[in-house]
Amino acid sequence: GENVEQHPSTLSVQEGDSAVIKCTYSDSASNYFPWYKQELGKRPQLIIDIRSNVGEKKDQRIAVTLNKTAKHFSLHITETQPEDSAVYFCAASIWNRDDKIIFGKGTRLHILP
Amino acid sequence: NAGVMQNPRHLVRRRGQEARLRCSPMKGHSHVYWYRQLPEEGLKFMVYLQKENIIDESGMPKERFSAEFPKEGPSILRIQQVVRGDSAAYFCASSPGTSSYEQYFGPGTRLTVT
Repeated sequence: GENVEQHPSTLSVQEGDSAVIKCTYSDSASNYFPWYKQELGKRPQLIIDIRSNVGEKKDQRIAVTLNKTAKHFSLHITETQPEDSAVYFCAASIWNRDDKIIFGKGTRLHILP
Repeated sequence: NAGVMQNPRHLVRRRGQEARLRCSPMKGHSHVYWYRQLPEEGLKFMVYLQKENIIDESGMPKERFSAEFPKEGPSILRIQQVVRGDSAAYFCASSPGTSSYEQYFGPGTRLTVT
């Protein structure tokens, strides 16, 4: 089955700097890659997603890239702000086959003042 | 449009009791997924249901756990004879199904087994 690896597990960046979180997946059939943000005690919230027919997607300060050949995908957050502090999960799914989402273990992002 | 609803938000059970967790999907969503999150860990898929059907239960423990999504009413995740290791946050998510990839999560039920 699908396995998603995520790193780093913890990331501290100065406010205003960029943060990058990287993930790999094992099943080449995976075709949908969502990213979720989870604040302490709250539900995971979908912040951006990418499908396998697209290499890059951007939404304001957040961008995601996908390299299907290498089975890598990454989240980039620019101009980080204190409210970006949270745990971020990458995930992979095979849309229209299983549909279940396989999550990475998460990255705890700290934005330093 | 109300989001995904889960209740109760917090549930305390003694070892050996039953836990019943409920999930009402977003309006118009017919697909429900249950995930378990242990403290300081990621979310682990448990089961995927459509109305009256279990589509994929590959993540469900073989014993004590069951799930249903009846024609009327919420989806139920049932844990019989709970043990301390069942303490976790249980999240459900819903999606419209064939028209959309996205899954939207409920607020979770935090189960504590004493």
